Amino acid sequence: EAQVTQNPRYLITVTGKKLTVTCSQNMNHEYMSWYRQDPGLGLRQIYYSMNVEVTDKGDVPEGYKVSRKEKRNFPLILESPSPNQTSLYFCASSSAGTGKAFFGQGTRLTVV
Amino acid sequence: DQQVKQNSPSLSVQEGRISILNCDYTNSMFDYFLWYKKYPAEGPTFLISISSIKDKNEDGRFTVFLNKSAKHLSLHIVPSQPGDSAVYFCAARYSGAGSYQLTFGKGTKLSVIP
Repeated sequence: EAQVTQNPRYLITVTGKKLTVTCSQNMNHEYMSWYRQDPGLGLRQIYYSMNVEVTDKGDVPEGYKVSRKEKRNFPLILESPSPNQTSLYFCASSSAGTGKAFFGQGTRLTVV
Repeated sequence: DQQVKQNSPSLSVQEGRISILNCDYTNSMFDYFLWYKKYPAEGPTFLISISSIKDKNEDGRFTVFLNKSAKHLSLHIVPSQPGDSAVYFCAARYSGAGSYQLTFGKGTKLSVIP
């Protein structure tokens, strides 16, 4: 089954404690991206990657890092989380040249 | 600066009637437009799309219309069903310099009343 898998689904952490949210896709997609969803703000892109070792900033990259060492994986790293990063995060993947993105189930992150 | 706007945060429609969701955009370089549907506790799922060179695309009960001169697109759902109740996101794709990005609107929550 074609899918994008994010882990964990729920995470509560404290300010400053480094964390990683993993994302994996099994569709051999070139393009992967991370979004955050906040009330009244919709989906905002954090980072995206066109292929292995190619990443670029989206609209709200501050406080986040990503890496793309393998085609299937695109982890999101918060080196020093802060409460304003409390949000619902989605990973997505798609084939190069299409906008039809497949989304993961989401990760609800709370930073206290 | 919001490049993709969904000005109606919510919409209520009777079952069996038509639902019309609207979206406006500002960037004339967008070349592809998409609608996504999102249920609570799930990720968005692709619904329907349209290329900027077309003005209409139909898929079953769902039709998307694009008016490039007005920079406006709309999603029509006919007939509306209770299972269509969800948040709908409009998205636009910009392709350039070997990469492309999707920009999303803030979403419209559709409620279909039985």
